[in-house]
Amino acid sequence: NAGVTQTPKFQVLKTGQSMTLQCAQDMNHNSMYWYRQDPGMGLRLIYYSASEGTTDKGEVPNGYNVSRLNKREFSLRLESAAPSQTSVYFCASSGGGLAGNTDTQYFGPGTRLTVL
Amino acid sequence: QKEVEQDPGPLSVPEGAIVSLNCTYSNSAFQYFMWYRQYSRKGPELLMYTYSSGNKEDGRFTAQVDKSSKYISLFIRDSQPSDSATYLCAMKGGTASKLTFGTGTRLQVTL
Repeated sequence: NAGVTQTPKFQVLKTGQSMTLQCAQDMNHNSMYWYRQDPGMGLRLIYYSASEGTTDKGEVPNGYNVSRLNKREFSLRLESAAPSQTSVYFCASSGGGLAGNTDTQYFGPGTRLTVL
Repeated sequence: QKEVEQDPGPLSVPEGAIVSLNCTYSNSAFQYFMWYRQYSRKGPELLMYTYSSGNKEDGRFTAQVDKSSKYISLFIRDSQPSDSATYLCAMKGGTASKLTFGTGTRLQVTL
């Protein structure tokens, strides 16, 4: 089991360029998440997908779009990158969203993105 | 005011010390409480999970939840240099799938 994988590991973009961050999980989890982590700000939720076919905005969705391609894959797209989007991006997945479940989230290794 | 408050540290302790890490929260709907450990340049990994109030012990780690005070703690006994990392608390309500994270406390255990 690879768990949660993310590509690429590092990326440098110029302002205005676009890119897609890829995430895949092999744990048959229903829910997937995209976070960004900035110094002093902790983990902030960008978008999440509670189940295949659904996506919802998190705390900081502006400037991002997502696609839940299938149960395994959840991608994050920056259409026109800005320096404020320089951050470390983490994908996570969890087993389910029912009341009483633990819903532990398992994280990928992260993508370090710099926008110049 | 943030929903979850956590002192960012850094916290520096000598090897063998008992470490206490804490979070306070404001949302009384939170029922599930977790501690994640994050090593430098790595993703967070789940360390401890507790439901509602009480204590849970796992080896050198003890998680405590006091819902009446809206306060959770993680204790590390006999701390080791390998415990040097950032510790993030996280919590959620009963029906939500989203977690709310603290900003993390950076811990340094010195020889």
